Parts: sequence; structure tokens; C-alpha cells
Amino acid sequence: DTEVTQTPKHLVMGMTNKKSLKCEQHMGHRAMYWYKQKAKKPPELMFVYSYEKLSINESVPSRFSPECPNSSLLNLHLHALQPEDSALYLCASSQPTGSTGELFFGEGSRLTVL
Amino acid sequence: AQSVAQPEDQVNVAEGNPLTVKCTYSVSGNPYLFWYVQYPNRGLQFLLKYITGDNLVKGSYGFEAEFNKSQTSFHLKKPSALVSDSALYFCAVRDRRGRRALTFGSGTRLQVQP
Repeated sequence: DTEVTQTPKHLVMGMTNKKSLKCEQHMGHRAMYWYKQKAKKPPELMFVYSYEKLSINESVPSRFSPECPNSSLLNLHLHALQPEDSALYLCASSQPTGSTGELFFGEGSRLTVL
Repeated sequence: AQSVAQPEDQVNVAEGNPLTVKCTYSVSGNPYLFWYVQYPNRGLQFLLKYITGDNLVKGSYGFEAEFNKSQTSFHLKKPSALVSDSALYFCAVRDRRGRRALTFGSGTRLQVQP
């Protein structure tokens, strides 16, 4: 069983909606990540937080807004999305980015934008 | 820039036979290399990693991988395949500077036939 919990598992939203994806880990990791994965494609990095500060933004459109309220939680706020944003959104955590540790992934939130 | 390549979209193997899933990498300096597995509609599960030391790395579920610096390869292997091994496998790299998160290969679908 994964120790990274993502909610909701499925989300359907219209292009004018505002919604949020949530991620929680209790492994004491200080780096957390958002990846986007389209069907049959590899995960693509979106954001990295290290010690609750945004350290990497891979030129993601502003309609995706990450937030790290504390060391255990990571949110992804969604607003005015496009149908092409439909994908599996994966959260992961690890020891800080300078370490050799592997990433631990959640089960993902499958987003459908109508 | 760091990258990994998985030259095979799909690998087919009979149950009980050995399997190999190929991965080659390109990174400045010595790499940190990882293998992950993804079952349908699930997150990614960590299998094993190479950081330093012995070139043969043993991981979860009987998988192992061989790091070959001269060939810049990190092939995933298992002596005897199971039907339950059928899944999508991703090779990933993180360079030693540690600043970047994992960069994934395109993925290889493993199909184990009974």
C-alpha cells in the first residue's frame, strides 16, 4: 500500500470550475512533487517543493497553482482548465532533492475536463 | 541535460522464461538510476535503484538490474517471469547534482503470456 495518499481519485470538472487536488504523506519527507501523466506516456514533472518552498516550476500554465501548507500536505489548485489538461495527476514525495532517495508515488487523481 | 531511453514499446515473454527490459541513459557525470512499475490505473511503484557500488542491483519482486557504465545501460531483468509481472515499466534518472526530480523514459509494456 502506498504511503502517499491522493484525493480525490477521480474528478470531472468543467472549464469554468475551480477545484483542488490534495496529497498527504507521513513519511517525514521534505520534498514533494506533482507530475502529470497522459495515457500510455511517462510522467512529466510539473512542480517540486523542497522544505515547503517551491523549487522547480516546469513552465506550467498559471491555471495550475500549487500550494504546500506544511511538510505533509501538497495541493494543486485548478482553475479554467482546458480539455487537454485531462490526465492522471501524480503526487510523490522523497527526501530533499539533494539526496539519493527514490520517489514514493500516490495512486494518482484522474482528472477529466469537459 | 539528462535523459533515458527505452527502445522497446513492448516486450513479450512466456511465463517462466527470463525477461529483460532495456534502458540506456545520457547524463553528465555519474547517474542515479531507478526502475518503477505501473499497473493499470495505479501510481508508480519503486522497484530498485543504482547509486554506487555493485553493478548488479537487486530489488522488489525478484527483479534485478545491471548497471553498465561503458554501455550507459541499466537493463531490468528477472530470471523467471510471472503473469502478474505484466505491467508498464519505467526507467528513470536523476543526475548527481540532485537538483532535478526524476526524468522518466517512455516506458515499456511487459506482457507475460501463460
